[in-house]
Amino acid sequence: SAVISQKPSRDICQRGTSLTIQCQVDSQVTMMFWYRQQPGQSLTLIATANQGSEATYESGFVIDKFPISRPNLTFSTLTVSNMSPEDSSIYLCSVAPTGREGYTFGSGTRLTVV
Amino acid sequence: GNSVTQMEGPVTLSEEAFLTINCTYTATGYPSLFWYVQYPGEGLQLLLKATKADDKGSNKGFEATYRKETTSFHLEKGSVQVSDSAVYFCALRGSNYQLIWGAGTKLIIKP
Repeated sequence: SAVISQKPSRDICQRGTSLTIQCQVDSQVTMMFWYRQQPGQSLTLIATANQGSEATYESGFVIDKFPISRPNLTFSTLTVSNMSPEDSSIYLCSVAPTGREGYTFGSGTRLTVV
Repeated sequence: GNSVTQMEGPVTLSEEAFLTINCTYTATGYPSLFWYVQYPGEGLQLLLKATKADDKGSNKGFEATYRKETTSFHLEKGSVQVSDSAVYFCALRGSNYQLIWGAGTKLIIKP
């Protein structure tokens, strides 16, 4: 199965600033997903990112707040813009399986906004 | 729409006890079903999966059977260990290949 390198692993940011999270995959994948996991909660899908097309955002998430890039089949970034303390969460990227394996996840970015 | 319902936690058991974590789903068709585990301070790991009705997924002593009659995918283990303490998530694959998650069940195993 694919291996994902996600960074940064954690960051503490000032409100009003932006943070870009990167995910690098060791193989070419068509579909990548970005999730948010708030403390003690389940995962919520932010958007689906396919190479060569605009990301598809879920209800409650907008491109101006969470712009996503997908320049090729092995890389994607998620930016959390104009941050507020409510954005404090763990952000995870994931790729869909190409074979019989399950979905693979990055190790997550723990974001704290102060 | 698609949804996943898990039993609420935390679930607290003694070592060597039998474990069941209930998971039921609502979906059109027969989606693939998954159990993921998140150990303290670690990332999400696939525990097991099933892709069609009556399939049984198994791994590390855990099992779950895809039951279309009851739309369930309950997680079971015959004898839990302290090292099984974690949060367990049930999920199904949606029509756009995204995962739809249950709320998660925190499992605490006491020695």
